[in-house]
Amino acid sequence: NAGVTQTPKFQVLKTGQSMTLQCAQDMNHNSMYWYRQDPGMGLRLIYYSASEGTTDKGEVPNGYNVSRLNKREFSLRLESAAPSQTSVYFCASSRTGENSPLHFGNGTRLTVT
Amino acid sequence: GENVEQHPSTLSVQEGDSAVIKCTYSDSASNYFPWYKQELGKRPQLIIDIRSNVGEKKDQRIAVTLNKTAKHFSLHITETQPEDSAVYFCAASDGGSNYKLTFGKGTLLTVNP
Repeated sequence: NAGVTQTPKFQVLKTGQSMTLQCAQDMNHNSMYWYRQDPGMGLRLIYYSASEGTTDKGEVPNGYNVSRLNKREFSLRLESAAPSQTSVYFCASSRTGENSPLHFGNGTRLTVT
Repeated sequence: GENVEQHPSTLSVQEGDSAVIKCTYSDSASNYFPWYKQELGKRPQLIIDIRSNVGEKKDQRIAVTLNKTAKHFSLHITETQPEDSAVYFCAASDGGSNYKLTFGKGTLLTVNP
């Protein structure tokens, strides 16, 4: 039982390059989330998916797109990376229909030069 | 949307002392308040949570109190140990049906031996 798995763990991009961060969970959770963490800013929600087939914007969605591929997988895409997107990205999942705790992946450290 | 303020941003205590971290929230409809601990380079992990129908919850050395009227909640750690050193985040649900969490900016707790 791996929980929430994110790939890659580290990535360096040049400005303008694109990439997709992958996330998969094996807990049969309906809801999945992408957060970014920057020093002194806490965790800010980028996008979330309350259930398979739905996605919604969070607090900081600009510059990102997401795909809920199936119940297990939720990917985050940067179409044209910018230095302001240098951050640590966390995927998380939770049950739906009640206030449930988030289970986080181990994070992806992204640097955009 | 929800706004969560967390204080202090840093806290240094001697081993064995108590530590208190306070958070306020803005959305009176919020009804779920988790606390996460994040060790250096690791993912955030839930340590305790409280729902709005409860005023206090305790788990060994940690406790959380909630004052819905004043819209604030606090984390209390007693008999602190060096392994309690970490960043602690409070969060509040948005009160809507998707149970999105908004996080505070975090408190760096250092327990000195």
